[in-house]
Amino acid sequence: KAGVTQTPRYLIKTRGQQVTLSCSPISGHRSVSWYQQTPGQGLQFLFEYFSETQRNKGNFPGRFSGRQFSNSRSEMNVSTLELGDSALYLCASSVTGDYGYTFGSGTRLTVV
Amino acid sequence: GENVEQHPSTLSVQEGDSAVIKCTYSDSASNYFPWYKQELGKGPQLIIDIRSNVGEKKDQRIAVTLNKTAKHFSLHITETQPEDSAVYFCAASYDTDKLIFGTGTRLQVFP
Repeated sequence: KAGVTQTPRYLIKTRGQQVTLSCSPISGHRSVSWYQQTPGQGLQFLFEYFSETQRNKGNFPGRFSGRQFSNSRSEMNVSTLELGDSALYLCASSVTGDYGYTFGSGTRLTVV
Repeated sequence: GENVEQHPSTLSVQEGDSAVIKCTYSDSASNYFPWYKQELGKGPQLIIDIRSNVGEKKDQRIAVTLNKTAKHFSLHITETQPEDSAVYFCAASYDTDKLIFGTGTRLQVFP
């Protein structure tokens, strides 16, 4: 079966702009989580959605937001981009959100 | 706050040898402990996981052990192969809570 699909794979944005990343989970998976991966901070949790509701949120500023649609697809948005937002953004899905997360290949965001 | 420490940060072994990576977690409520393998340019891939009601789990050459009292868990890879070379991450979570990741171990298997 198809894995977790993230689009686009690469993005280059300018400081101050905003960006939207997309994630299509594995069919039947209702939980979608987002993580930020950087060399300095490692893998950090952003937020988790289940059945269109945000159930959990990490320690990121309000510039980072997300949503989930009725088909479980999810988007995350980062407004007023800063250089420090450059990272690999990973989406992970699971059936119920308590175990067995499958990650996508990520979106590499570069802010210049 | 919640924290997962992972050691070593780098590990080099000869093909055929065993590799062990250790993690310690701080939140005693954690009950789910997955291990991920990340290859260059790819997202983390779940290779094995264990829940807190089990002390050990094995899948072919890979095994994970959990010591809840000491809040330690370890990944054991036997008969290592060059294709095992990657960055390995441990993680801990409680039910539907977020995964707290360790800092990663870069494993290199030399032929």
